[in-house]
Amino acid sequence: QVQLVESGGGVVQPGTSLRLSCAASGIPFIKYGMHWVRQAPGKGLEWVASISNDGSKENYADSVRGRFTVSRDNSKNSLYLQMNSLRAEDTAVYYCASSGGGYGDYWGQGTLVTVSS
Amino acid sequence: EIVLTQSPGTLSLSPGERATLSCRASQSVGSNSLAWYQQKPGQAPRLLIYGTSSRATGIPDRFSGSGSGTDFTLSINRLEPEDFAVYSCQQYGSAPYTFGQGTKLEIK
Repeated sequence: QVQLVESGGGVVQPGTSLRLSCAASGIPFIKYGMHWVRQAPGKGLEWVASISNDGSKENYADSVRGRFTVSRDNSKNSLYLQMNSLRAEDTAVYYCASSGGGYGDYWGQGTLVTVSS
Repeated sequence: EIVLTQSPGTLSLSPGERATLSCRASQSVGSNSLAWYQQKPGQAPRLLIYGTSSRATGIPDRFSGSGSGTDFTLSINRLEPEDFAVYSCQQYGSAPYTFGQGTKLEIK
């Protein structure tokens, strides 16, 4: 059974940093690209970042490029999102999703990030 | 960046009816790399359709996807009570891998 479990969310002040983690099980993690997708309260889905299966290729939404960094540790079946210089508009539930073919085939339940002073 | 526009914003139908949801792209989606997701309140999205028309594992055949280029459609035949949710399309042909704003399918 595939499980993706996000962690690391919380309430932080604007301008600070946070690191999200996503632990994967039930899939051959090293064969999957991975996505981070977020959803602001009451809003639609927004793709944030992706990383290839071997970590060699990253892509970012314009809204986070230069502030967020996606990474992975295939030895730990884990995905990460380092978020710096956080803004109020980064407040959202952050989902990780596996990407066998580019789309999000399996999703975690999400972790809430609230940026507020 | 490819902008995806979904219509209608809200669709009100009754169980047993057929739903037709539209997703229009601002430019051609490469290799018809278009996916559809279903999301219920408080839950993560669930993959329904990928590659425009391929159903994901475990998705009933009353869900079907079609289209090409810039115009894509998700059809749901014989609506069941559990089908009432928000549906979002996503293009994954070229980064950034954008989503549409969603269509809410509600019970009439």
